Amino acid sequence: QQQVKQSPQSLIVQKGGISIINCAYENTAFDYFPWYQQFPGKGPALLIAIRPDVSEKKEGRFTISFNKSAKQFSLHIMDSQPGDSATYFCAARGDSNYQLIWGAGTKLIIKP
Amino acid sequence: GAGVSQSPSNKVTEKGKDVELRCDPISGHTALYWYRQSLGQGLEFLIYFQGNSAPDKSGLPSDRFSAERTGGSVSTLTIQRTQQEDSAVYLCASSLASGQDEQFFGPGTRLTVL
Repeated sequence: QQQVKQSPQSLIVQKGGISIINCAYENTAFDYFPWYQQFPGKGPALLIAIRPDVSEKKEGRFTISFNKSAKQFSLHIMDSQPGDSATYFCAARGDSNYQLIWGAGTKLIIKP
Repeated sequence: GAGVSQSPSNKVTEKGKDVELRCDPISGHTALYWYRQSLGQGLEFLIYFQGNSAPDKSGLPSDRFSAERTGGSVSTLTIQRTQQEDSAVYLCASSLASGQDEQFFGPGTRLTVL
């Protein structure tokens, strides 16, 4: 119930293409769904986040799509660039008001 | 302003030795988290501090792990009698307050136990 399942584990996309990473959860009490981006040797950094009262949030080339009935959310990176190559983590805020439940991560490689 | 800092950046130790990892959160952030990230894996929650409240230690994997936070600021994660399976990157994060959404992460400490 407290798990967040993320796929794919790794992804290779051509420059200019669309990168899509998916996450699924079980606990309907989750109320906050962030995506974090992590470059090698660095800590994760918040990229974009959504709450369950909206179905989509867009910030620049990054969009979160949220499907409450299916208990799924996804990150879309439009016009993917080599600088987007990183590991992406989805997460969900659990029953406590502070603990994030993390997906296992997706290593994204954008080929020039 | 300064972000979350962690020291050392790398630590190599022998099995059975004790290690201390330090975290300096962003000034004014009352919430502090420790996570463990094994190679190619997600983040494993270890412990959470909020102000003067009792910490949430529910993620600590064994009694060899402990953490303290002095003066509501700097935190130290201590691993006693290290084992090879403790090898990982230990990440610290802070947030403005409990329930505040964004967690700001430090660069981590890479621990290698030989």
